[in-house]
Amino acid sequence: GAGVSQSPSNKVTEKGKDVELRCDPISGHTALYWYRQSLGQGLEFLIYFQGNSAPDKSGLPSDRFSAERTGGSVSTLTIQRTQQEDSAVYLCASSLGPNQPQHFGDGTRLSIL
Amino acid sequence: EDQVTQSPEALRLQEGESSSLNCSYTVSGLRGLFWYRQDPGKGPEFLFTLYSAGEEKEKERLKATLTKKESFLHITAPKPEDSATYLCAVQAAPRGAQKLVFGQGTRLTINP
Repeated sequence: GAGVSQSPSNKVTEKGKDVELRCDPISGHTALYWYRQSLGQGLEFLIYFQGNSAPDKSGLPSDRFSAERTGGSVSTLTIQRTQQEDSAVYLCASSLGPNQPQHFGDGTRLSIL
Repeated sequence: EDQVTQSPEALRLQEGESSSLNCSYTVSGLRGLFWYRQDPGKGPEFLFTLYSAGEEKEKERLKATLTKKESFLHITAPKPEDSATYLCAVQAAPRGAQKLVFGQGTRLTINP
């Protein structure tokens, strides 16, 4: 079946602009996660959504980062006033529920000029 | 703070030469340990979940094992298509904590 889908696959933008990244989870998966992968930093957790519960935002690095999940399915990660240190691959994952294996999309490669 | 350390950072093997990758972890109660494979330009691909010391899982040429402090990914008679970065991650036990904490990965190259 279809895996986690992310768009765009690549995004280049100027410093100071806002960007929106989209994630379509696997159908039927109730849990959704965002991670960031930077050179030398590895994968770091950003935010977790589960059903209608309040999201776990503990990994968001600053208030410029926000995410929402509409209708329990599609999620959007928004970065406002982008900085060069925001350049990274942003990965989305979904799972059947809590404590289940997380399945990743291929990510959005974000480059801030 | 939960930590995961993988070694070696990079490993080159000849086709058919078996070896092991190490994942050492420090976590406030382990809920699960996960192994992923990542190819260049792709997202991590799930391989195994291990939940308790002594547990083993196998898939083709790969076998993952778990102790109270570390996990090993054993690769038997590898082929060039096994070349990838292998990532280890832990999920801690506190209720509601769902995030995975990843190691830096081991970049494995299998030469034909």
